[in-house]
This record gives sequence, C-alpha cells and structure tokens, in this order.
Amino acid sequence: GAGVSQSPSNKVTEKGKDVELRCDPISGHTALYWYRQRLGQGLEFLIYFQGNSAPDKSGLPSDRFSAERTGESVSTLTIQRTQQEDSAVYLCASSSRNEKLFFGSGTQLSVL
Amino acid sequence: GNSVTQMEGPVTLSEEAFLTINCTYTATGYPSLFWYVQYPGEGLQLLLKATKADDKGSNKGFEATYRKETTSFHLEKGSVQVSDSAVYFCALSDRSGYSTLTFGKGTMLLVSP
Repeated sequence: GAGVSQSPSNKVTEKGKDVELRCDPISGHTALYWYRQRLGQGLEFLIYFQGNSAPDKSGLPSDRFSAERTGESVSTLTIQRTQQEDSAVYLCASSSRNEKLFFGSGTQLSVL
Repeated sequence: GNSVTQMEGPVTLSEEAFLTINCTYTATGYPSLFWYVQYPGEGLQLLLKATKADDKGSNKGFEATYRKETTSFHLEKGSVQVSDSAVYFCALSDRSGYSTLTFGKGTMLLVSP
C-alpha cells in the first residue's frame, strides 16, 4: 500500500486478555518502530526493528509486551494479560535508511 | 537521557494570526530536531527538520531554527489557516547509529475562521 497500515484501528478488551496489534509497513522500508501514546503524554518508544538485525527492545515496559517482525514485512505487537494502564494509542512507523519516519494512524486500545 | 518539552495546548488562534509553539530539549551530543504534525484522523507526518545548530527547517510556511545555545526549536508561522488545525509534536533523534525519536507531548492547535 501507499502508507503504513495498522489494524485494528480500535480495540476494546477486558483486563487480563491478550491482544495482538498489526502493522504493515511501507514496502521496502527496512526499519519499523512501535510507539505508544497514553492520554496526555508524548510518544513513548517501545521497540525498533532494522532489517535482520536483533531488535532494540529497550522501550518495552514489561515482559507482557513482545513484538515480532519477519524480514522487512508485517510486524505484530502482542500484549499479554492486559492491564488498564496499557490503554493507549499504539503507533507504528517505518522508514528507509534516513531519519524520515512514516507513521500509521494507530490502534486505539482500551482495556476495561 | 533525552527529553523534549513543548508548550501545553490547546493553542487557539484566529485565521491569519502569528503562531509560535515553543520546544526545548535535553540531549547528549548533537541531535537532529524535528516537528511532526498529526491532522485529524491521520498518522503523524514529518513537517520539517534541522540537523545542526543554526539550521532552519521550513515547510508549508512553517519555520523552526535549531538553537544550540538555548536548546530550543520553536515552531513559527506568520499567518495560520484553518487547515493548520492539528497536533504538533517536537522530537529529537540522537546520533547513536539509527534514529529512535524522542517526542514531546504534542500541542494541539485550533484555528478558527
């Protein structure tokens, strides 16, 4: 597609359930990022994939969070045993070898 | 660590008014600085950037100058339009070999006719 695509756009789940968020980057972009934006806060870096290198997971807030990416394609962010504080907009971005990031529209996650 | 502080919104202006959104940063080394914009219902997109001190980034009538002495990157526009209504994010990227952006909290701009 022409841009970064994220699905679902909205997800409502119950506390304790697992959720999986998907990101389709722009074709050919080697770098893929996940960010989180909680209400009233800035964007918080979660994880970064660059090609086939080991991902930078330094931003993941707990071991309930994990992400995968196969090659330079789709990425999934999984949150296990969701908590209310996980409620946020989860943003995915991709880039080629420069610093310009292209963002998706995000997934609004609400944990009840 | 790196951090970005920007003025709280919302900023409410009339069309053709002058806009300033303040942004200051804390970083080690010499970061690149960015302004991203998020229009309603859309993803963030790069508005402008500057990669070294005294550089001026500009796009769509917006400008921001990289001021190392004051660690600032304030966004300005001489005459705003209703279509400029959006959330604006200041961000920095350190030079650690790849670009992991540190964002501010965002400032909502509302422009009325």
